[in-house]
Amino acid sequence: ETGVTQSPTHLIKTRGQQVTLRCSSQSGHNTVSWYQQALGQGPQFIFQYYREEENGRGNFPPRFSGLQFPNYSSELNVNALELDDSALYLCASSLQGARYGYTFGSGTRLTVV
Amino acid sequence: DQQVKQNSPSLSVQEGRISILNCDYTNSMFDYFLWYKKYPAEGPTFLISISSIKDKNEDGRFTVFLNKSAKHLSLHIVPSQPGDSAVYFCAASAANFGNEKLTFGTGTRLTIIP
Repeated sequence: ETGVTQSPTHLIKTRGQQVTLRCSSQSGHNTVSWYQQALGQGPQFIFQYYREEENGRGNFPPRFSGLQFPNYSSELNVNALELDDSALYLCASSLQGARYGYTFGSGTRLTVV
Repeated sequence: DQQVKQNSPSLSVQEGRISILNCDYTNSMFDYFLWYKKYPAEGPTFLISISSIKDKNEDGRFTVFLNKSAKHLSLHIVPSQPGDSAVYFCAASAANFGNEKLTFGTGTRLTIIP
């Protein structure tokens, strides 16, 4: 059973650019959630995808968008990058309706300069 | 508005002793609570959880206690081992069909002293 894999592991972008982060969910999981973890903070919920539809969103602007594919993998896209977008981006997969059992990936460290 | 709070950024405990990590929450809609452990360069790993219908859940060396009236939960690790050194996050969720969003605290860095 494979876990959640994220790519790339590290990324440096310039303010104003766009970035795409990728996530492959754990085998058998049909729901993907994305979290942003700023330095010294806990992970903050960005949004969740189930059956290729957005299924809940946190307090993030529309320039944060996502996709889920039929194989349940997912992408997080961020447009018009700002310095404050520098953070660790975590992907978590789960079975829809499960109140536990989120499996997190190791994250993508994004630095915006 | 920080709905889940971990007021101790760090904690040091002697190996073999008990580690107690605390967490407070403000949203009374939360009905399920989880603890995650995070090592550097890895994602959070699920440790233990508790439903609001219980006041205690135990799994080996780890026990979580929930005090609903005080909106407080704690994680007890006994005996503490060097491998327990990590950042521990408390998280909470509210029953909301189709969206199991987790609200995390800011974490407590636990250091076990050999």
